[in-house]
Amino acid sequence: DVKVTQSSRYLVKRTGEKVFLECVQDMDHENMFWYRQDPGLGLRLIYFSYDVKMKEKGDIPEGYSVSREKKERFSLILESASTNQTSMYLCASRKGGSTDTQYFGPGTRLTVL
Amino acid sequence: QKEVEQDPGPLSVPEGAIVSLNCTYSNSAFQYFMWYRQYSRKGPELLMYTYSSGNKEDGRFTAQVDKSSKYISLFIRDSQPSDSATYLCAMRSNAGGTSYGKLTFGQGTILTVHP
Repeated sequence: DVKVTQSSRYLVKRTGEKVFLECVQDMDHENMFWYRQDPGLGLRLIYFSYDVKMKEKGDIPEGYSVSREKKERFSLILESASTNQTSMYLCASRKGGSTDTQYFGPGTRLTVL
Repeated sequence: QKEVEQDPGPLSVPEGAIVSLNCTYSNSAFQYFMWYRQYSRKGPELLMYTYSSGNKEDGRFTAQVDKSSKYISLFIRDSQPSDSATYLCAMRSNAGGTSYGKLTFGQGTILTVHP
């Protein structure tokens, strides 16, 4: 079974702090994604990576950056957290090619005070 | 206007009911259509996958795609309390390059099936 793990289930940070969210997948997948999920807005893509050291902006990249130094790990960075970044953050991975199945982690509920 | 519109509900039905969940979309380039199910405090998981127009059945679940109307549906027959979850539609175009695999999600519909 594919397993996608996220470093924390719940996180509370203060405005202005630098925040790191980490995601690890164990199936040698090429593609990895970071989404945020908000009530009434569904899942919105922040960034994705189609290979190591490669990244592409999603629909809402402002205020975020990412890092993918190893194939199995994809990090989301909030350089200076703000209250409007309070959300559920979901990581997903997908094998490159024609498959559309994205495997999701359990999510990190981030609260910025 | 959002590219994908989905009624967020919430939807509450008795056990055994037939449930109909729907999404409309505006991008005529979308070719691949999916339904994900998300239980509380879990990540979404793929439930159904359909390419282009038509129907697909898997047990109690049927996915329908009507590309002419830009409308997709998920039907759940004989609904069970264990079907209580958020259902998200997702879709993508056939664009290649680095955008390959990028999905656009609906807002999700919260479904509760009560005994």
